[in-house]
Amino acid sequence: DGGITQSPKYLFRKEGQNVTLSCEQNLNHDAMYWYRQDPGQGLRLIYYSQIVNDFQKGDIAEGYSVSREKKESFPLTVTSAQKNPTAFYLCASSGQGVSQPQHFGDGTRLSIL
Amino acid sequence: AQSVTQPDIHITVSEGASLELRCNYSYGATPYLFWYVQSPGQGLQLLLKYFSGDTLVQGIKGFEAEFKRSQSSFNLRKPSVHWSDAAEYFCAATTSGTYKYIFGTGTRLKVLA
Repeated sequence: DGGITQSPKYLFRKEGQNVTLSCEQNLNHDAMYWYRQDPGQGLRLIYYSQIVNDFQKGDIAEGYSVSREKKESFPLTVTSAQKNPTAFYLCASSGQGVSQPQHFGDGTRLSIL
Repeated sequence: AQSVTQPDIHITVSEGASLELRCNYSYGATPYLFWYVQSPGQGLQLLLKYFSGDTLVQGIKGFEAEFKRSQSSFNLRKPSVHWSDAAEYFCAATTSGTYKYIFGTGTRLKVLA
């Protein structure tokens, strides 16, 4: 079955460390997204990518970086510059055309050690 | 500025009772509208979507939503709630010309046995 796979499910970060969250999709979707979810704040957009080798900052991009070298993959790096990284991170993808709904992975929960 | 508002943070209903979750949007033009459901520790699952046409939209799991242009609303309804409907519900919107989606802050539904 097609879908989005996020790994790992749980991740712990030490002070000063960069960590990378994986997101892979086999839906043949062009667009991919990263959201951060905090209690009571809904989903906030970190980065999104419409095509390979291109991506745009979302509303809270500071302290994060992404790459889009392959259509299927959109990894997110949480850098040491992100001072409050503890959150639930969701990856999503959507097909061509803005009216297409987003499909979500099961998320990665990141915590600070 | 474009926005999606879910006025109710928490809602509690008894099993078998009817349900209505509110969603209001603020956009220059009529947006594409979506309702998603999220179980704890999981990603978001699409319940239904509205693009145009019939203002009453049917979705999965017995949910429906009604688009009301005059009230800028897209409320989610279910005639009889089941205990398994306990989850968090998100309303979302997007428009032509952008790949960005705006999510409401969510409504957490509790179902009493």
